[in-house]
Amino acid sequence: GDSVTQMEGPVTLSEEAFLTINCTYTATGYPSLFWYVQYPGEGLQLLLKATKADDKGSNKGFEATYRKETTSFHLEKGSVQVSDSAVYFCALTPITGGGNKLTFGTGTQLKVEL
Amino acid sequence: DADVTQTPRNRITKTGKRIMLECSQTKGHDRMYWYRQDPGLGLRLIYYSFDVKDINKGEISDGYSVSRQAQAKFSLSLESAIPNQTALYFCATSDRGTGQNEQFFGPGTRLTVL
Repeated sequence: GDSVTQMEGPVTLSEEAFLTINCTYTATGYPSLFWYVQYPGEGLQLLLKATKADDKGSNKGFEATYRKETTSFHLEKGSVQVSDSAVYFCALTPITGGGNKLTFGTGTQLKVEL
Repeated sequence: DADVTQTPRNRITKTGKRIMLECSQTKGHDRMYWYRQDPGLGLRLIYYSFDVKDINKGEISDGYSVSRQAQAKFSLSLESAIPNQTALYFCATSDRGTGQNEQFFGPGTRLTVL
């Protein structure tokens, strides 16, 4: 079945540091890929998405590129802020037949310190 | 007002009690989902519904039941709660019509079973 693997956290960075959170997936065909973010005490929010190979999703300074050849969708940000502290989830949904069902990774907690 | 609301936000109950968690949405979406979140496990799908007459089990449906009372309402019940059902529960919605595969999440219900 489909699966998503994320790097384990927590990841602790200083403000303005470069961020990478690794995500790889296993799925049939070309799934749609997502990054969701969960701020403390809140539900999940869509951060960015990509629906086909080589697409780059971007939002709020975060980026991720859909790499079919390495089955990866790594999240990056050039300069993190304290307000980026949250849990980040990589997820996928099949391109067909999935009924929008999401398969999530286990989440990576990011802590940004001054 | 929030598009996806969940009640209650927090609940503490005892083993063997029947519990109902409610979800309402004003987004007009046809699809609704229930997930549970456990530390280190990410989000796992309990049940999902593609419309009022279409209910489907997810990967961890044992011990749970659901009711889709209307397009806008989707309730999750624990008929006889047990301690390992202590978790954070999320409702989500999506719109088949857009084909965008994005899900929108409620704020979550924190359930503790003693």
